Amino acid sequence: DSGVTQTPKHLITATGQRVTLRCSPRSGDLSVYWYQQSLDQGLQFLIQYYNGEERAKGNILERFSAQQFPDLHSELNLSSLELGDSALYFCASSVVGTTDTQYFGPGTRLTVL
Amino acid sequence: AQTVTQSQPEMSVQEAETVTLSCTYDTSESDYYLFWYKQPPSRQMILVIRQEAYKQQNATENRFSVNFQKAAKSFSLKISDSQLGDAAMYFCAYRCRANRDDKIIFGKGTRLHILP
Repeated sequence: DSGVTQTPKHLITATGQRVTLRCSPRSGDLSVYWYQQSLDQGLQFLIQYYNGEERAKGNILERFSAQQFPDLHSELNLSSLELGDSALYFCASSVVGTTDTQYFGPGTRLTVL
Repeated sequence: AQTVTQSQPEMSVQEAETVTLSCTYDTSESDYYLFWYKQPPSRQMILVIRQEAYKQQNATENRFSVNFQKAAKSFSLKISDSQLGDAAMYFCAYRCRANRDDKIIFGKGTRLHILP
């Protein structure tokens, strides 16, 4: 158990819908990262938040957005869902500046029908 | 742009034997981290081992060790005394230390089968 929690574990929805994925980092970790793992694209970095502020953006679609709240949990919002958005979404956390290891949560499996 | 390449999509090894997974990377940076992550069927991403580029000594974690060749930009993982529980997808990953962002760049992965 990495200490990073993600909810829900599984999510099944229809095209055009909007979903929210939630992540709680390890205690003390200020930085949260979101990654998408799909069969064709592999593991790709989406976005990073550090202490409530966006720090880096990767291959994140405009239909996707994220935020980190004062209690440091983060949410990834996916809207206007397409079949191709079906993937495993991971959240990871780290204490920036103290350790450079990112610890991954168990992931949320999103299926868009 | 930094890239990570794992040229072996799948590998098999007999239980109790030793296997080496290959990884090469491309970067113009001199200060970075390299990682091997394991993803078993449960899909959890588990850190196996980490190497700091400024350290010449190869990292070791129990039965797992790396061969880090900085000049050749090579970072292979050796698993000794392979066990059935080692069966998983293994990802080689890179993280630049100098960048403002901390994103990890992953290779495509190598699926390791352990033969009983």
